[in-house]
Amino acid sequence: AQTVTQSQPEMSVQEAETVTLSCTYDTSESNYYLFWYKQPPSRQMILVIRQEAYKQQNATENRFSVNFQKAAKSFSLKISDSQLGDTAMYFCAFIISNFGNEKLTFGTGTRLTIIP
Amino acid sequence: ETGVTQSPTHLIKTRGQQVTLRCSSQSGHNTVSWYQQALGQGPQFIFQYYREEENGRGNFPPRFSGLQFPNYSSELNVNALELDDSALYLCASRDTLSETQYFGPGTRLLVL
Repeated sequence: AQTVTQSQPEMSVQEAETVTLSCTYDTSESNYYLFWYKQPPSRQMILVIRQEAYKQQNATENRFSVNFQKAAKSFSLKISDSQLGDTAMYFCAFIISNFGNEKLTFGTGTRLTIIP
Repeated sequence: ETGVTQSPTHLIKTRGQQVTLRCSSQSGHNTVSWYQQALGQGPQFIFQYYREEENGRGNFPPRFSGLQFPNYSSELNVNALELDDSALYLCASRDTLSETQYFGPGTRLLVL
């Protein structure tokens, strides 16, 4: 079975601080992609960052970066210089690269609050 | 803005009724997936359509069905609505090159 675990239901940090959200996953496949999505109160699921499992280099997107540990099946998200607009639910997810049935498997989410 | 649109935004139905939700994919994306997100949970995969055919399904009963049209827009149909069908329904179109799914704003369904 393919699963994603986010062990931090809620987190809060002061504006401008750095925060790290944890994610572990389980799959027996070797070719897959990992994602962090953000869902603000507006409900729109927004892509934050993606990582190909075959790449050792950690992905970065401006203030967002990941720490991908393939052997440990760990995929944490670091948000630097946090801003009020970062307040949202954050979901970790992965997809198996396969023809057909490329479903995203999501974790239960971490609610992040940035405090002014 | 992802370019994926969904309608309607909100919908209220009663138990036993039928509902149709609609989605327009991002330009150039020929694969669309539907997800159900219950309150306080992560999205759950319902099914995926590729070139007008279903080519993957999650653990949902047959009363959840779909269609994809030649322009790659899509519908999700739910028959015999149950109270537990109350949820946010998300549509996502897939960029096959990057294996990335881009989501629409969702349809909030309430079943009374």
